[in-house]
Amino acid sequence: DVKVTQSSRYLVKRTGEKVFLECVQDMDHENMFWYRQDPGLGLRLIYFSYDVKMKEKGDIPEGYSVSREKKERFSLILESASTNQTSMYLCASSWERGRSSYEQYFGPGTRLTVT
Amino acid sequence: DQQVKQNSPSLSVQEGRISILNCDYTNSMFDYFLWYKKYPAEGPTFLISISSIKDKNEDGRFTVFLNKSAKHLSLHIVPSQPGDSAVYFCAASSYGGATNKLIFGTGTLLAVQP
Repeated sequence: DVKVTQSSRYLVKRTGEKVFLECVQDMDHENMFWYRQDPGLGLRLIYFSYDVKMKEKGDIPEGYSVSREKKERFSLILESASTNQTSMYLCASSWERGRSSYEQYFGPGTRLTVT
Repeated sequence: DQQVKQNSPSLSVQEGRISILNCDYTNSMFDYFLWYKKYPAEGPTFLISISSIKDKNEDGRFTVFLNKSAKHLSLHIVPSQPGDSAVYFCAASSYGGATNKLIFGTGTLLAVQP
């Protein structure tokens, strides 16, 4: 079974803090993604990576950065947390483009609250 | 602009009846569609998918229908069970670009009443 794990299920941070969210997958997937989920807005893509050290902006990258130093690990960084970044953060992974399956496998999510 | 739309935020059905969840899309380049199910405080889990070369795909109690001319897909759950109560997201993908990005709808909360 594919396993995607996220470092924390719940996190509370103060405004202005630097926040690191870690994601690890064990399926040797090429692609990894970070989303945030907010009520009424669905899942919105923040950043994704299709290879080690490669990254591309998603739909809402402002205020975030990412790091992928190893294939299995993809980190989301909030440089200076703000209250509007309070959300559920979801990591996902998938096979490379061209494979038959487009399915993305999700981690359990991190509920981040910024006070 | 929202390329994938789920216009019903919520749906309530009785146990044993059919649940029909709808999804519309605007981009004719989408060629693969997926449905995900999400329980509170958990990540989404893949449910069923369909390629644009098909108009129907079935897996047990779940069937997805695709109407390309109308740019519409639907998920049918028969019979509905209380454990099906969750948020359902449809997603669409297009071939090309750096990778297989998915565009998600806003979700429909399904409540199956015992």
